[in-house]
Amino acid sequence: DAGITQSPRHKVTETGTPVTLRCHQTENHRYMYWYRQDPGHGLRLIHYSYGVKDTDKGEVSDGYSVSRSKTEDFLLTLESATSSQTSVYFCAISENQVQPNEQYFGPGTRLTVT
Amino acid sequence: EDQVTQSPEALRLQEGESSSLNCSYTVSGLRGLFWYRQDPGKGPEFLFTLYSAGEEKEKERLKATLTKKESFLHITAPKPEDSATYLCAVQANSGGSNYKLTFGKGTLLTVNP
Repeated sequence: DAGITQSPRHKVTETGTPVTLRCHQTENHRYMYWYRQDPGHGLRLIHYSYGVKDTDKGEVSDGYSVSRSKTEDFLLTLESATSSQTSVYFCAISENQVQPNEQYFGPGTRLTVT
Repeated sequence: EDQVTQSPEALRLQEGESSSLNCSYTVSGLRGLFWYRQDPGKGPEFLFTLYSAGEEKEKERLKATLTKKESFLHITAPKPEDSATYLCAVQANSGGSNYKLTFGKGTLLTVNP
């Protein structure tokens, strides 16, 4: 996993509680992404960041917010977790958007909302 | 809307039995097509990027090819360690949204010894 760590790796939480997932990279890549992966669906983009304090929504952003105060860290927050947010969450990074370029993924966080 | 369809959903092979995985796509303008490998409990691992029809890339027992409508991942003489889920994704020229990858649901490959 190209210099990407995610924490926590596993979390169980109750409906209605706030949850923050952290992604940390050591590659100094400008672009960072949060995806969720669910059975029967492909990876779906939640939010992405194109620089410090620059973020935008993906296709499944409702119920999620993000922040990026440093190049290396990208936080995903579930303000009030719901059972539908039970999923595996992956962070990804990419170097630039000038040309088609691959995204590298972290190890994932398995989140269970009870 | 960009769409990616992978087939088959699951494929079981005997060690040494070559085969191909398919990725069909519909995009407004293809910027790049990506193949990833994902092992259980891990994040996707990048394999290949293909940019234009006719392009081919190889890595060990894997070869990826691209046409204007689909991509194939050919697996030659597979080994049990090639067992994984293989994901295909496309990046389209969509104005300001050209960051976006659209993923297929994947093909689960099992190679029996």
